Amino acid sequence: DTEVTQTPKHLVMGMTNKKSLKCEQHMGHRAMYWYKQKAKKPPELMFVYSYEKLSINESVPSRFSPECPNSSLLNLHLHALQPEDSALYLCASSQVLQQGSGNTIYFGEGSWLTVV
Amino acid sequence: GENVEQHPSTLSVQEGDSAVIKCTYSDSASNYFPWYKQELGKGPQLIIDIRSNVGEKKDQRIAVTLNKTAKHFSLHITETQPEDSAVYFCAAIGNQFYFGTGTSLTVIP
Repeated sequence: DTEVTQTPKHLVMGMTNKKSLKCEQHMGHRAMYWYKQKAKKPPELMFVYSYEKLSINESVPSRFSPECPNSSLLNLHLHALQPEDSALYLCASSQVLQQGSGNTIYFGEGSWLTVV
Repeated sequence: GENVEQHPSTLSVQEGDSAVIKCTYSDSASNYFPWYKQELGKGPQLIIDIRSNVGEKKDQRIAVTLNKTAKHFSLHITETQPEDSAVYFCAAIGNQFYFGTGTSLTVIP
């Protein structure tokens, strides 16, 4: 079973709102990722957690705040977003953090975020 | 850093024909090359992958070839069907993970 589950599938929020995206996997993977994808573009890496610790932050603005409560869960807290943050947000996981080890990354279906 | 070029950006084929998508990478440390299919409104789904110690891998109508010397790898889809229509991304993984720029494949019934 290679499944990464994301909720909600769609989210519309105002620029003053606080919301969260959630991700869950039960494959025993110890690396979890957040990606942002704009239309007709490849996904862009935002954050990587390895063994529940933040390992990579690709210079993401602080209005995006990741959290990894345990090895199966990954959240992305959103606050004071801008319209240009509207995108598909993808969660992914792999057995361990990619470091030349060739671990397959599995993606969820994504959360469509619209900031109004 | 890693740079993965992917061509073509768009591809239209008649149903039943073959489709080929090519990627070129620059980092010699890359040793794992997955391909993802992304249908409209969905996340990328792994369809096939190849590791650097293998030159070719096939799974039914899908095959991937790798030329490590030239730093090229390609996705081949034979007997294309309308449900193959999607955006396809290659990736080359060394110390980091980089996607190619994507190919929008349309299979015309």
